[in-house]
Amino acid sequence: GESVGLHLPTLSVQEGDNSIINCAYSNSASDYFIWYKQESGKGPQFIIDIRSNMDKRQGQRVTVLLNKTVKHLSLQIAATQPGDSAVYFCAETYTGRRALTFGSGTRLQVQP
Amino acid sequence: EAQVTQNPRYLITVTGKKLTVTCSQNMNHEYMSWYRQDPGLGLRQIYYSMNVEVTDKGDVPEGYKVSRKEKRNFPLILESPSPNQTSLYFCASSQAEPSTDTQYFGPGTRLTVL
Repeated sequence: GESVGLHLPTLSVQEGDNSIINCAYSNSASDYFIWYKQESGKGPQFIIDIRSNMDKRQGQRVTVLLNKTVKHLSLQIAATQPGDSAVYFCAETYTGRRALTFGSGTRLQVQP
Repeated sequence: EAQVTQNPRYLITVTGKKLTVTCSQNMNHEYMSWYRQDPGLGLRQIYYSMNVEVTDKGDVPEGYKVSRKEKRNFPLILESPSPNQTSLYFCASSQAEPSTDTQYFGPGTRLTVL
């Protein structure tokens, strides 16, 4: 069956450092991947997405890397700030599917 | 302001007492969905709706009902809640299905069933 997993449940980084959050997926048919940020008491918020015809996409301070060969996705946050502290979820789906499959989340803690 | 709203935000109830959690969006989105979030399991989809009067089951639909009589509203109904439905529930909407369009999530409803 489909599954989306995360390597580390909690990641602690120093303010100003770069953060890398990893995600593995198992469905080789997946062609669309999304990263969400969830702050305490709020719903998930879209950060960045990538389609399978790309292997890298950059946003403001965030970069998503996709390695389809090993079914691996990562989110890189540059110059991590206290406001980046949250739980981060990866999600995947494929063209025509009417749902997302979410990973279990990684908590990012930014130490001042 | 474009948003997805849910009510109530917190609810404590007892086993078997019917309840409804409302969801409303003001973005004229066609697609709406309900998820539940449990520790260690991420978000799992309960039901979704592609448009008015069009609904379908997600991954964990047992014990839930939904309706889509109007485009903006997508209530989640628990006819006979049980303790295993204690969870954090999120409603989401998007213009099209999630493989083609970004989903916007509501703030969540924390439900406790005693």
